[in-house]
This record gives sequence, C-alpha cells and structure tokens, in this order.
Amino acid sequence: NAGVTQTPKFRILKIGQSMTLQCTQDMNHNYMYWYRQDPGMGLKLIYYSVGAGITDKGEVPNGYNVSRSTTEDFPLRLELAAPSQTSVYFCASSPLPGLAGVDEQFFGPGTRLTVL
Amino acid sequence: DQQVKQNSPSLSVQEGRISILNCDYTNSMFDYFLWYKKYPAEGPTFLISISSIKDKNEDGRFTVFLNKSAKHLSLHIVPSQPGDSAVYFCAASASLPNTGNQFYFGTGTSLTVIP
Repeated sequence: NAGVTQTPKFRILKIGQSMTLQCTQDMNHNYMYWYRQDPGMGLKLIYYSVGAGITDKGEVPNGYNVSRSTTEDFPLRLELAAPSQTSVYFCASSPLPGLAGVDEQFFGPGTRLTVL
Repeated sequence: DQQVKQNSPSLSVQEGRISILNCDYTNSMFDYFLWYKKYPAEGPTFLISISSIKDKNEDGRFTVFLNKSAKHLSLHIVPSQPGDSAVYFCAASASLPNTGNQFYFGTGTSLTVIP
C-alpha cells in the first residue's frame, strides 16, 4: 500500500492564480481531510469528507474548495491564490471510527505552497 | 482560539534520559487524545493514544498520561534516543457521532535528543 499520496510536493503560485492539490489514498478509508500548517502553528482543518459525495467545512475553509467523487481521491482547489495561503498542506485519511468512536488519521507527505 | 496548546516550542534532552512533552486542552468535550510525531519534509505519523476512561497508556518506550481534572496530558519517552528527534503534536477529539473523526492539533514541540 502506498498509503496517502499527495502531488505536487512543491509549488510556487502568483497571486490570483488557481491550482488543485491532489490527494489519493489506497486504504479504502471513508474519511479524508485537508489541513494546512503555518510556521510555528499546529495543523488547522480546512475541509473534510466522510464519504464520496459528502464534504464539510473545517476551521479555515475560506479560499478553498473540495470535491469527493470517489473514495480514493480528495482534491483541494485554490481558486484565487493569496499570499495568506502560503503554507504546507497535508491530506489525511482515516477508517470509520471503531469502538472508541475515534480513530487515528494517516497523513500524506505534504505539499509546500508559496504564493508570491 | 487554540483549544489544544503545547506551550513548549522546543525541548532538548540527553540520550538515555527521559523526555517529557506537555499538552493542555480547554474543551471539556474532548475525550480522546493522540500524539503524532513528525520528521522534516514528511507527514505526521501516529505514535500513541489515550481515551478519557484511562489515565495512562504505555507502548514500549512511550507512555501518555492524562489528567482530566487539569485538562492536561503528557508524553514520556524513556530512554530517549537520537532517532526520537522530531516535532511532536498533541491532538484531541470529541467522540461525538457525525463529527467526522475530527481532531484539533496543538502547535507542536520540537524535541532534540543529544547523543
């Protein structure tokens, strides 16, 4: 299993450009997530999905869009890039929670995005 | 508002000694806690977890302690090894239905183990 894969690893965008960050998982997990991590900060949840066709906002959704047409893929779209979106973006997935009601999340390696 | 706080941005310990990483939370609904470890240029990886029905969970060299009344948890690493040098994130969740298994993360503590 490759786990969670993200492309690209690095990207530089100009202000106002758009791009899609790709995320794929091969673990057949129902839940998927997008986080951003700013320097010296923790991970902030942007959007999440509990299954194909179902998405919901996290803590910091403004400026982003997502879709989930398949179990495996969860792309993150930036429509009008702004310098405030310079960050490292992590995609994660998790199975349906077990008896504890929660379960660990498995993370991809991240995409480092710079907006100039 | 940061619901999970790690007030020590960095920690240095000698190899073989104990490393203690601390985490505080504010939301009394949190009942499940995880620690993640992150190396540079990699994604976080799960290390150890604890449910609020316990006050301690051990896995090899790693032990997590939970003090619910103080809303505080700590990760103990004994003995510390140079390979433990990484950033450690504390994360918390409220195991409520239909919340999508969401976690709130702390800001991380960078641990350096000196050989």
